[in-house]
Amino acid sequence: EAQVTQNPRYLITVTGKKLTVTCSQNMNHEYMSWYRQDPGLGLRQIYYSMNVEVTDKGDVPEGYKVSRKEKRNFPLILESPSPNQTSLYFCASSDRMNTEAFFGQGTRLTVV
Amino acid sequence: AQSVTQLDSQVPVFEEAPVELRCNYSSSVSVYLFWYVQYPNQGLQLLLKYLSGSTLVESINGFEAEFNKSQTSFHLRKPSVHISDTAEYFCAVSEIAGYSTLTFGKGTMLLVSP
Repeated sequence: EAQVTQNPRYLITVTGKKLTVTCSQNMNHEYMSWYRQDPGLGLRQIYYSMNVEVTDKGDVPEGYKVSRKEKRNFPLILESPSPNQTSLYFCASSDRMNTEAFFGQGTRLTVV
Repeated sequence: AQSVTQLDSQVPVFEEAPVELRCNYSSSVSVYLFWYVQYPNQGLQLLLKYLSGSTLVESINGFEAEFNKSQTSFHLRKPSVHISDTAEYFCAVSEIAGYSTLTFGKGTMLLVSP
């Protein structure tokens, strides 16, 4: 089954404690991206990757890092989480930048 | 750069009534258009898309959207909604040429009541 898998689904952490949210896709897609969803703001892109070792900033990259060492994986790293990063995060993949994206189930992150 | 405006943040409607969710976009070049649906506690799923050809596109669960280039709109309609259609709906746009990611609207919450 074609899918994008994120882990964990729910995470509560404390300010400043480094965390990683994993994302994996099994569709051999070249393009992957991370979004955060906040009430009233819709989805905003954090980072995207056009292929292995090629990443770039989206609209709200501050406080986040990503890496793309393998085609199927695109982890999101928060080196020092802060409460304003409390949000619902989605990973997505597609075969090209501008075509339909397939989304993971989401990771609800709470930073206290 | 492209942008998307969803004019209604919430649309309450009774079961079996028709509904229209509005989406307008802004772009200086030709675009692809998408509607996504997000059911509670789930990720986004593609509902329908316009890439080229017929300006009227349909989904398998009775929704349809019409691409109107002159009005730069891609409104989503359903003639008779069900309780199970309660969800948040996102309109998205991307530019056909060049490097363009999906840009999403802020979403419209469709609330269907009995």
